[in-house]
Amino acid sequence: RKEVEQDPGPFNVPEGATVAFNCTYSNSASQSFFWYRQDCRKEPKLLMSVYSSGNEDGRFTAQLNRASQYISLLIRDSKLSDSATYLCVGTLGAGSYQLTFGKGTKLSVIP
Amino acid sequence: DAGVTQSPTHLIKTRGQQVTLRCSPKSGHDTVSWYQQALGQGPQFIFQYYEEEERQRGNFPDRFSGHQFPNYSSELNVNALLLGDSALYLCASSYRDPGNTIYFGEGSWLTVV
Repeated sequence: RKEVEQDPGPFNVPEGATVAFNCTYSNSASQSFFWYRQDCRKEPKLLMSVYSSGNEDGRFTAQLNRASQYISLLIRDSKLSDSATYLCVGTLGAGSYQLTFGKGTKLSVIP
Repeated sequence: DAGVTQSPTHLIKTRGQQVTLRCSPKSGHDTVSWYQQALGQGPQFIFQYYEEEERQRGNFPDRFSGHQFPNYSSELNVNALLLGDSALYLCASSYRDPGNTIYFGEGSWLTVV
């Protein structure tokens, strides 16, 4: 079982739609979680950190469920500029310094 | 304030050759990590350097080695290149605590023919 798994998509949604991405992780000792965004042939960039209490940044909401080892990202009112690959990321376990990435979910927002 | 800079941006090598990739961390950062991203995959952790020492290593063979210099810049060396080493190599820098925000460079695209 991969350490971080996410649906690769692609997700093709119309502008204005709400889209949700899900991710699961296998290491229950994993400490920190993030969503990164990666544009085609560019480097990953931090979108937001993920907390058990849930956190929101404008149109983006992230949620962590430690009991289910599940992470989600919700994008409301999708914009064309949201088209990218979204990477679910976690630290591997207690005391780990490495980020473990999922394969990414590709989103295309269509006019 | 310069971000993470990497060089070269693109290069082509032949199987069996050796390559060195370079990274300068963001100003104020002292920790450098290297990741390999194959097409269609998420980045895979190669190793991390802190205080000029390899602090943690991922599941990569010994052909992959690195170094960190006193000014915190870093090099990634890959020996005996294989076709499967073709990928985007990303350098990421941060300050000390792994919980601090990590910034990625634009990467070095390596093609092995």
